[in-house]
Amino acid sequence: GENVEQHPSTLSVQEGDSAVIKCTYSDSASNYFPWYKQELGKRPQLIIDIRSNVGEKKDQRIAVTLNKTAKHFSLHITETQPEDSAVYFCAAIAQAGTALIFGKGTTLSVSS
Amino acid sequence: NAGVTQTPKFQVLKTGQSMTLQCAQDMNHNSMYWYRQDPGMGLRLIYYSASEGTTDKGEVPNGYNVSRLNKREFSLRLESAAPSQTSVYFCASSVDGATQYFGPGTRLLVL
Repeated sequence: GENVEQHPSTLSVQEGDSAVIKCTYSDSASNYFPWYKQELGKRPQLIIDIRSNVGEKKDQRIAVTLNKTAKHFSLHITETQPEDSAVYFCAAIAQAGTALIFGKGTTLSVSS
Repeated sequence: NAGVTQTPKFQVLKTGQSMTLQCAQDMNHNSMYWYRQDPGMGLRLIYYSASEGTTDKGEVPNGYNVSRLNKREFSLRLESAAPSQTSVYFCASSVDGATQYFGPGTRLLVL
């Protein structure tokens, strides 16, 4: 089955810096890759996703890139702000009718 | 439109007790999921239901049972709770089997 590895487990940046979180997946049939943000005590919320027919997707300060050959995808956050501090999860799914497999999460801390 | 709702929000059980966690969605989604979240372990899939009438095991199904009562509701039952089942439980739903929307979670403490 699918396995998703996420790095780093913790990331500390200064306000205004960029942050990058990387994930690798094992199943070459995976075709959907979402990123979720979870604030302390809250539910995970979808922030951006990408499908396998696209190499990059942007939404304001966040972007996701996908390298299908290497089987990895990354979340990029530019001009970080304190409110970006949260746990970020990547996930992958190989086929409809199954379920997302999540990475173990990255705790991002943005200090002002 | 409440999205995904879960009850209860918080529960304390004694070892050996049973309970059912309830989940409902009002988005007419086909698929529903149960995850548990433990520190450093991410979100681990317990069971899922790709469509009404079907259920499948996930990564950590032992000690749990599920019921897809109808298209809206998907319950998770602990028959004999153990301290190892202390966790935060999230229900989620999806219209296309990919993009998932999560409920607010249930915090369960088993003593």
